[in-house]
Amino acid sequence: NAGVTQTPKFQVLKTGQSMTLQCAQDMNHNSMYWYRQDPGMGLRLIYYSASEGTTDKGEVPNGYNVSRLNKREFSLRLESAAPSQTSVYFCASSASGEGEQYFGPGTRLTVT
Amino acid sequence: QQQVKQSPQSLIVQKGGIPIINCAYENTAFDYFPWYQQFPGKGPALLIAIRPDVSEKKEGRFTISFNKSAKQFSLHIMDSQPGDSATYFCAARMRGSNYKLTFGKGTLLTVNP
Repeated sequence: NAGVTQTPKFQVLKTGQSMTLQCAQDMNHNSMYWYRQDPGMGLRLIYYSASEGTTDKGEVPNGYNVSRLNKREFSLRLESAAPSQTSVYFCASSASGEGEQYFGPGTRLTVT
Repeated sequence: QQQVKQSPQSLIVQKGGIPIINCAYENTAFDYFPWYQQFPGKGPALLIAIRPDVSEKKEGRFTISFNKSAKQFSLHIMDSQPGDSATYFCAARMRGSNYKLTFGKGTLLTVNP
């Protein structure tokens, strides 16, 4: 039981490049989330998926797109990376009816 | 607009001390208040959580105190240990929000030996 896994762990991009961050959970959770964490800013919600087939914007969605590929997988795409997207990205999941969110280990992204 | 305000930003205590981290909120629609602990290089992990119909909850050395009328809640760590050194986040969930959490900005706790 791996919980929430994220790939890659680290990534360096040049401005304008694109990439997809992958997230998978093996807990049969309905809801999945993408956050970014910046120093002094806490965790800010980018997008979430309440259930398979649905996605909604969070607090800071600009510059990102998401895909809920199936119940297990939720990916985050940066179409044209900008230095302001340098951050640590966390994926999380939760079961419907509960508040606890389980977080992955994070992806540290640097955009130069 | 920051919906959950957390203080202090950082806190240093000696081993055995009782660090206290405070959070305040404005929206009375919040119905669930968790605390997360994050060690360097790791994702946050749920530490303890409380609902507004309870004024206090204890789990081991960790206690949440909740003041509904003041819209404040706090985390107390009894007999703190160097291994408790981490960043702590309070959060709040709004009713009917698809379980979205709003996080405070975090408190970096250092417990010196």
